[in-house]
Amino acid sequence: AQSVTQLGSHVSVSEGALVLLRCNYSSSVPPYLFWYVQYPNQGLQLLLKYTSAATLVKGINGFEAEFKKSETSFHLTKPSAHMRDAAEYFCAVSDRFGNEKLTFGTGTRLTIIP
Amino acid sequence: DTGVSQDPRHKITKRGQNVTFRCDPISEHNRLYWYRQTLGQGPEFLTYFQNEAQLEKSRLLSDRFSAERPKGSFSTLEIQRTEQGDSAMYLCASSGEGSNQPQHFGDGTRLSIL
Repeated sequence: AQSVTQLGSHVSVSEGALVLLRCNYSSSVPPYLFWYVQYPNQGLQLLLKYTSAATLVKGINGFEAEFKKSETSFHLTKPSAHMRDAAEYFCAVSDRFGNEKLTFGTGTRLTIIP
Repeated sequence: DTGVSQDPRHKITKRGQNVTFRCDPISEHNRLYWYRQTLGQGPEFLTYFQNEAQLEKSRLLSDRFSAERPKGSFSTLEIQRTEQGDSAMYLCASSGEGSNQPQHFGDGTRLSIL
């Protein structure tokens, strides 16, 4: 069974500061990993995905994430936070052997302090 | 690419009533997924289709829930005899074929049971 754990249900950073959202995964097979963002009353928008190419993945809106197999982690970062980054962020995992459903973490709410 | 469309956006109903939601996927996508998201949680997988075939159902999908995708295009999710615990956001996603294809989400249908 696959799972992801997002450490920190709430993260607050100042505008212009580094954003770091943590995600650790558990999977018995090599995983695919995804980060999604959700704004209030909307669906989920894909930020980036890891599918076994480069371990450092660049996504939209200046976000990136690094796959570290030794740490079973896929943390999301952004060098400089903007007010528009305030949202809920979800890490998700699927396997690459036919089980395409996504298993999501419980989410991290990011607040940006002006 | 017009995105994944869900209808209605909001549904308020009395306990015991039946409700039906519709999802129109991105036109070239042959995979369609349903998820349920309760307040403060990540989405949970309910079921998925490849073309018109329903390939997997979660144990969360009780006998009161049924999903169809009769012509391999749009899908419906019906809940019979609704209960208070059915109150949630119901999200639809679609993807192309291939286990590394990302899922694209609609804005969801928010169900409120009175």
